[in-house]
Parts: sequence; C-alpha cells; structure tokens
Amino acid sequence: DAGVTQSPTHLIKTRGQQVTLRCSPKSGHDTVSWYQQALGQGPQFIFQYYEEEERQRGNFPDRFSGHQFPNYSSELNVNALLLGDSALYLCASSLHYFRGKDQPQHFGDGTRLSIL
Amino acid sequence: DAKTTQPPSMDCAEGRAANLPCNHSTISGNEYVYWYRQIHSQGPQYIIHGLKNNETNEMASLIITEDRKSSTLILPHATLRDTAVYYCIVRLPMIYNQGGKLIFGQGTELSVKP
Repeated sequence: DAGVTQSPTHLIKTRGQQVTLRCSPKSGHDTVSWYQQALGQGPQFIFQYYEEEERQRGNFPDRFSGHQFPNYSSELNVNALLLGDSALYLCASSLHYFRGKDQPQHFGDGTRLSIL
Repeated sequence: DAKTTQPPSMDCAEGRAANLPCNHSTISGNEYVYWYRQIHSQGPQYIIHGLKNNETNEMASLIITEDRKSSTLILPHATLRDTAVYYCIVRLPMIYNQGGKLIFGQGTELSVKP
C-alpha cells in the first residue's frame, strides 16, 4: 500500500518562474493539504483541498494556488517565484471523516525547491 | 501561532523510556492532541492522537491530563532511530470549518544516546 507520493523530489528554478508540484494521496484518502517548510523551521500550512475545492487557506499570497483532481491527487502551483520560496514543500493526505473519529494526516517526503 | 509549548531539546538513553511533555493550556473541548515526529530530510511521521482518553499504539503511548491542559508522549524503549524532532499539535477535527490544519511549533529535538 503506497503512502503519499510527491514529485519531483528536487527542483531548481530561477526568480520569476512558475512551478508545479504534484501529490498522490495515500490509497483511500480524499483530503489533501500542502505545507511549506523553510530550513530550520516547522512546516507551515498553505491550504487544504477536499471534494476538489479549496476548503482552508493559511497566510500565503495568491501566487500560491492549487488544484485537486477527481482521483484526489493534487497540484501546488507557485507563480512569480521569489528567493524566499526556497523550501521543502510537503503534501499530506487523510480521510475527511471516518466512524466519528478524527483522522490523522500522513505526509509525503516532500519536494525540495531551490530558487536561484 | 502554535497553541502548544514544548521543551526545545531532550536526551534519552537507548533502551530507556522517553517521556516528552507538552503544554496546551488553551485547548478547546473539541480539539485533539496530535503527535508527529520528523527525522532530518523526511516528511513528518504521524505517531498518535487523542481527545480525552489515554491512547496506545505500536509506536507510543499518549497520556492526557484530566483537565486536558497538558500531555506526555511516551516512547517505551527508545532506540537510536527515535532521534528526531517531535511536534505536539492541537487541532480541530477535519469536519469542522477551520478544522484539520496542523499548526507546527518548534517541537522538541530528542536525542537518543547509546
């Protein structure tokens, strides 16, 4: 049973470019969340997708956008890249609801994005 | 901002129990306590979560005080592979409007020594 998979594992871009990161959730999961982790910091919540809609958003600018597909996979898009966008981008998946108990999110190993 | 407070670092001898404390004095009645850990260069790994009762799984035990203002994660027999940053997080359930998101603090860096 594959866990959360993310692609690519590493990526190098230059300022001003655009990037798309991809995430396949764990089998059976229907909710996907994205997090940004700068070096030496804890992950920061970007947004959450459920039923192909953005349900929640953290304190990130509109340059960060996403999408969830009917098969529950998801993409994170970042436009007009800045040096400060260099970070590890993590995807986490979960079940939205199951038998009355809150369900944990399971993380992938992330995409390391470097901006030159 | 994170709603939890954890010591920045702790040491534990291999084979001994590691007890990681967490304060969450402002926790609301519907919020769960979650524990994750992160080993360098990997994504956070889910360990355990609970609402009111103590919980145990194959990885750890979670002890939540009766007033729910603090909790302790117990790794019963720590190994060198348990060296990681441990995060204690409180969050609303996914089904709530603002629920499901994890707000990470700085965590506790646990070093297991031979």
